[in-house]
Amino acid sequence: GAGVSQTPSNKVTEKGKYVELRCDPISGHTALYWYRQSLGQGPEFLIYFQGTGAADDSGLPNDRFFAVRPEGSVSTLKIQRTERGDSAVYLCASSLRGGRINTGELFFGEGSRLTVL
Amino acid sequence: SQQGEEDPQALSIQEGENATMNCSYKTSINNLQWYRQNSGRGLVHLILIRSNEREKHSGRLRVTLDTSKKSSSLLITASRAADTASYFCATRETGANNLFFGTGTRLTVIP
Repeated sequence: GAGVSQTPSNKVTEKGKYVELRCDPISGHTALYWYRQSLGQGPEFLIYFQGTGAADDSGLPNDRFFAVRPEGSVSTLKIQRTERGDSAVYLCASSLRGGRINTGELFFGEGSRLTVL
Repeated sequence: SQQGEEDPQALSIQEGENATMNCSYKTSINNLQWYRQNSGRGLVHLILIRSNEREKHSGRLRVTLDTSKKSSSLLITASRAADTASYFCATRETGANNLFFGTGTRLTVIP
C-alpha cells in the first residue's frame, strides 16, 4: 500500500483479555516502530525493529507486551491480560532505514485505538 | 519515556499571525524533527534539522536549533485555520535507534 496501515482502527476489549494489533509498513521500509499515545500526550516509544529483529524493546512497559515481525514486514503487537491502563492509541511507524545510519523521517499509520473496559 | 518538552502546551492565534513553538531536550542528539498531528490522526513529518545545522526553512516553516541550550523552535508564518493541530518535536539521540517525542503544543488558528 501507499502508506502505513494499521488494523483494527478501534478495538474494545474487556480487562484480562488478549489483544493483537497489526501494522503493515510501507513496502521496502526496514525499520518499524511501535509507539503508544495517551490522550493529550506525545507518543511514547515501545519497541523498534530493524528487519526481523527487535533492536530496541526498552520501551515495553512490562512482560504483558510483546511484538513480532517474523518476515521483516508486517508486525504484530500483542498484549496479554489487558488492563484498563493499557487503553491508548497504539501507533506504528516505518522508516526506510534503521540503526545508526538512519537519520530520516518516520511515516506513521493512523493508529489503533484500544479501549479496555 | 519522553525526551522533549514543548512550550507552550497550548497556543491560540488569529489567522495570518505567526506561531512559535519551543522544544527543549535533555541529551546529545543526532537530529531533531518536528511532526504535526491532526486530532485523531497519525503523525506527519514536517521538517528535520541535523545537530550541525542552526536553521532550516521549508515553505512557511522555520526551525532553529541551539545545541548548546538543547532547544529548538518551530515558527509557522502567516498561519491558516488548516494549521490547527498538535505539533511535536522528536529527537534522535546520538548513537540511538529510536526517536523520542515531546509532549506537544496544541495550536489553534482562529479564522
